[in-house]
Amino acid sequence: AQRVTQPEKLLSVFKGAPVELKCNYSYSGSPELFWYVQYSRQRLQLLLRHISRESIKGFTADLNKGETSFHLKKPFAQEEDSAMYYCALRAGSYQLTFGKGTKLSVIP
Amino acid sequence: EADIYQTPRYLVIGTGKKITLECSQTMGHDKMYWYQQDPGMELHLIHYSYGVNSTEKGDLSSESTVSRIRTEHFPLTLESARPSHTSQYLCASSETRGLNGYTFGSGTRLTVV
Repeated sequence: AQRVTQPEKLLSVFKGAPVELKCNYSYSGSPELFWYVQYSRQRLQLLLRHISRESIKGFTADLNKGETSFHLKKPFAQEEDSAMYYCALRAGSYQLTFGKGTKLSVIP
Repeated sequence: EADIYQTPRYLVIGTGKKITLECSQTMGHDKMYWYQQDPGMELHLIHYSYGVNSTEKGDLSSESTVSRIRTEHFPLTLESARPSHTSQYLCASSETRGLNGYTFGSGTRLTVV
């Protein structure tokens, strides 16, 4: 069965510092990976899809099949980046498997 | 505007009451899901549906039930609410292998007293 691991429950960084939110997955086939974000008092929303290879709000994520990772990165953290971040995997079926989430706190 | 709507946003109810949490989407998505989430915590899938008259239980055992009589509507019912049901309930929908994964509703924050 597929699994998504986000090893950090809480990550605190200073404003302007680089951010890396870790995500590892287990799946033997070709996965589709997503990052979702939940700001305080807002709904859970899609941030990035690996197939798009895009940068959203300064965040990027590269799928590394060798390391089975999909880490989320941003070179300079902003206070408005403080939120819950969830990594998700779709492995052939319709369902997404979510990680447990990482709370990012950006210290002014 | 095409979106997914959940009502009510907040609900405080007494133990033993029957409640129905509403979820409707206007995007024509065939797949719909219910998650339970305590604030800032992990998501637990409790029910899902791949189409009309199709419902399945998720990974987390739940005393709730769901129905899918219309494509756009996926209500969740608790026959007898208990304090242990206090949580946030998120509804989501998706197309079959949609590029954007899931679209989530704003959630219903349920408190059972």
